[in-house]
Amino acid sequence: QQQVKQSPQSLIVQKGGISIINCAYENTAFDYFPWYQQFPGKGPALLIAIRPDVSEKKEGRFTISFNKSAKQFSLHIMDSQPGDSATYFCAAGAGTALIFGKGTTLSVSS
Amino acid sequence: DADVTQTPRNRITKTGKRIMLECSQTKGHDRMYWYRQDPGLGLRLIYYSFDVKDINKGEISDGYSVSRQAQAKFSLSLESAIPNQTALYFCATSDLTTSGVQETQYFGPGTRLLVL
Repeated sequence: QQQVKQSPQSLIVQKGGISIINCAYENTAFDYFPWYQQFPGKGPALLIAIRPDVSEKKEGRFTISFNKSAKQFSLHIMDSQPGDSATYFCAAGAGTALIFGKGTTLSVSS
Repeated sequence: DADVTQTPRNRITKTGKRIMLECSQTKGHDRMYWYRQDPGLGLRLIYYSFDVKDINKGEISDGYSVSRQAQAKFSLSLESAIPNQTALYFCATSDLTTSGVQETQYFGPGTRLLVL
């Protein structure tokens, strides 16, 4: 009930391509779905977040798509750049502590 | 994020030793968290605290203890370190809006711990 399943574990995308990372959750009480970005040697930092009252949120090249009925949400990175190479974590929460996915290592080749 | 600091940044210790990792924040947040990061396992919650008098166990609290000395300080202790506690440890802080909506968690830079 508390798990957040993230896929793929790793992803290689060419510069300019679209990167897509998927997450699925089980607990219908979750009402906050953030994505965090982590560069080597750094702590994770919030990238973008969505609440279940909307199906999509876009900030620049980053978009979250949210499907409440399927209990799934995904991160789309448009026009992927080498600087986007990092580890991405999805998470879910409901006013308490967040549950994180296991992470996706993205490599954008130039 | 410089608003959340962790000390030490790196630590090597031996099996059976007691060690403490410290976290301080200047963001004025009530909520603080300790996570452990292992390759392929993501971020797993060890303990969290919603205010100075509130301590809660997370997913993997066995072998760890915490102390919330003040709103700004939250320390993690390994009572008797073992090699499988070798990992990257992160402290984080967050707050709630007045309507109870969860807000962003801000992470420190991490402490890399090696237990020999």
